Amino acid sequence: QLQLQESGPGLVKPSETLSLTCTVSGGSISSSSYYWGWIRQPPGKGLEWIGSMSYSGSTYYKSSLKSRVTISVDTSKNQFSLKLNSVTAADTALYYCARRSVIRGFFDYWGQGNLVTVSS
Amino acid sequence: DIQMTQSPSSLSASVGDRVTITCQASRDISNYLNWYQQKPGKAPKLLIYDASNLVTGVPSRFSGSGSGTDFTFTISSLQPEDIATYYCQQYDTLVTFGGGTKVE
Repeated sequence: QLQLQESGPGLVKPSETLSLTCTVSGGSISSSSYYWGWIRQPPGKGLEWIGSMSYSGSTYYKSSLKSRVTISVDTSKNQFSLKLNSVTAADTALYYCARRSVIRGFFDYWGQGNLVTVSS
Repeated sequence: DIQMTQSPSSLSASVGDRVTITCQASRDISNYLNWYQQKPGKAPKLLIYDASNLVTGVPSRFSGSGSGTDFTFTISSLQPEDIATYYCQQYDTLVTFGGGTKVE
């Protein structure tokens, strides 16, 4: 059974960089059938897609976040990571990592989420 | 970016009621539309993919329809365990989620 687990700090100061890692177990991240992505959810609000990446390194980002986001993959560790720089309070959210089918476009496996609060 | 307008944002229904949620895309997305259910404190769960295909194991009271810009998600007979927030998601161009519908 595929499992995804986010890890990273729960508190980040304004203007600093948010860094999260997603560890994939029970399956390989090196599959051309899937993208690996990040979705966030501010407290009490809806889902916002941040971006996705293929194991080969192709990246896709939400337009409004593109200038601040980097998603990278480490196939040797079966992990992928999110970096979001110049954070503000508006970036406070529950951050999910998830697997996305390339063909069908759906997110079928999700992590449990990592709450990140931006505050001084 | 493609915008997804989901309505209503919330609704109140009783057990056995038929519940309908709509999702409108800002441009033609063919059938590249998925539906998710999210319960409090949990990650979203995929229910329907490609607008109308039910995920294996999901009860048949859930259904989806539509193509182009207008889509509908229906619960034919609401059950207590269906109390949740539902989201549509397009993948025609990048990814966008609808704003969600809280079913109470």
